[in-house]
Amino acid sequence: KQEVTQIPAALSVPEGENLVLNCSFTDSAIYNLQWFRQDPGKGLTSLLLIQSSQREQTSGRLNASLDKSSGRSTLYIAASQPGDSATYLCAVIGSARQLTFGSGTQLTVLP
Amino acid sequence: GAGVSQSPRYKVAKRGQDVALRCDPISGHVSLFWYQQALGQGPEFLTYFQNEAQLDKSGLPSDRFFAERPEGSVSTLKIQRTQQEDSAVYLCASSLRTGGASGETQYFGPGTRLLVL
Repeated sequence: KQEVTQIPAALSVPEGENLVLNCSFTDSAIYNLQWFRQDPGKGLTSLLLIQSSQREQTSGRLNASLDKSSGRSTLYIAASQPGDSATYLCAVIGSARQLTFGSGTQLTVLP
Repeated sequence: GAGVSQSPRYKVAKRGQDVALRCDPISGHVSLFWYQQALGQGPEFLTYFQNEAQLDKSGLPSDRFFAERPEGSVSTLKIQRTQQEDSAVYLCASSLRTGGASGETQYFGPGTRLLVL
């Protein structure tokens, strides 16, 4: 059974700092990996989707990498802002169509 | 509408009561998913529809949970004889085609927060 782990569970940084969130998964037979953002009381917003044949995806200040063979992904956030404060969730899709999620990293960016 | 909508947003139920949670996916989306998110955890898969067909219900935790999508658009998740452990946020997501392996993004609704007393 696929298991997804995210480290750290919580992170607090001062505004302007660059940061890295980590995600690992146990079964490398995935089709793609997604990073989501979840704000309190709201649904999930997709940030980046990396297909299994890709190594990374970039959107604005966000860069996600994927190393399928080692079962790892990182989400890099450059020049963090207080508005980036949220829970970040990593999820993978394997042979089934559903997403398997990690428990998330709760990020707080202090002004 | 522009996105996935869910109703009600909040539901308080007494233990033993039946509840029904509604999901309106993005118009024209073929695939619909239900997830359950416990406090402090990531969402966990419950069930998947492709149009009106329920292709996977392996995540439903017990036979008290039932989902339907009779016309291939709106879906309802029903929980019978609710228990305290059913308290969670129930998220619905839709994708344009079959999702998953095609690399499509799933678009999530705001969720229904269920509290069973």
